[in-house]
Amino acid sequence: DARVTQTPRHKVTEMGQEVTMRCQPILGHNTVFWYRQTMMQGLELLAYFRNRAPLDDSGMPKDRFSAEMPDATLATLKIQPSEPRDSAVYFCASGPIEQFFGPGTRLTVL
Amino acid sequence: QKEVEQNSGPLSVPEGAIASLNCTYSDRGSQSFFWYRQYSGKSPELIMFIYSNGDKEDGRFTAQLNKASQYVSLLIRDSQPSDSATYLCAVNMAGSNDYKLSFGAGTTVTVRA
Repeated sequence: DARVTQTPRHKVTEMGQEVTMRCQPILGHNTVFWYRQTMMQGLELLAYFRNRAPLDDSGMPKDRFSAEMPDATLATLKIQPSEPRDSAVYFCASGPIEQFFGPGTRLTVL
Repeated sequence: QKEVEQNSGPLSVPEGAIASLNCTYSDRGSQSFFWYRQYSGKSPELIMFIYSNGDKEDGRFTAQLNKASQYVSLLIRDSQPSDSATYLCAVNMAGSNDYKLSFGAGTTVTVRA
């Protein structure tokens, strides 16, 4: 049963700390997306990759967020330093065309 | 104007009835349209996609697309309590070859037993 996996599922941290979220896309999927979901803003696209190359990261606060795809089986999203306003659920999705979402990382920054 | 707008909920329907969800989009050149279901505390789950004008049926779900009116809808027939969820409409950006999606805010559906 192919599915996107994400770790950790929950993260509580203090303001100023570094947060790293990881995603394993479905094997064979060449496009990987990072989204953030909050009650106020809904689902927002942060960044995405095709064949490991970053295509668009215009949705990310550049000064504190970074996204990488070191290999075809791993995508990472880092926040440094984290702030309380970063508290949200972060989803990774992969696909050729239709996007399949992982279970998400629920981040709380105190 | 938001890129993708959905009818505001919540939408409450009795079990067995048809739930009708609507979505409009601003970019006339958009080519691909998706419906996701999201249960509370869970991730979005793809339930339908449609690329051509007309209707597309999959089980109890029917997606309808009218590109001239920039309108896509989702019908849920014989609604079940398990259909209670938030439904997200997503639209591929026009002229984009990279499948980036713009999501609506979602419509929450409650099916009353």
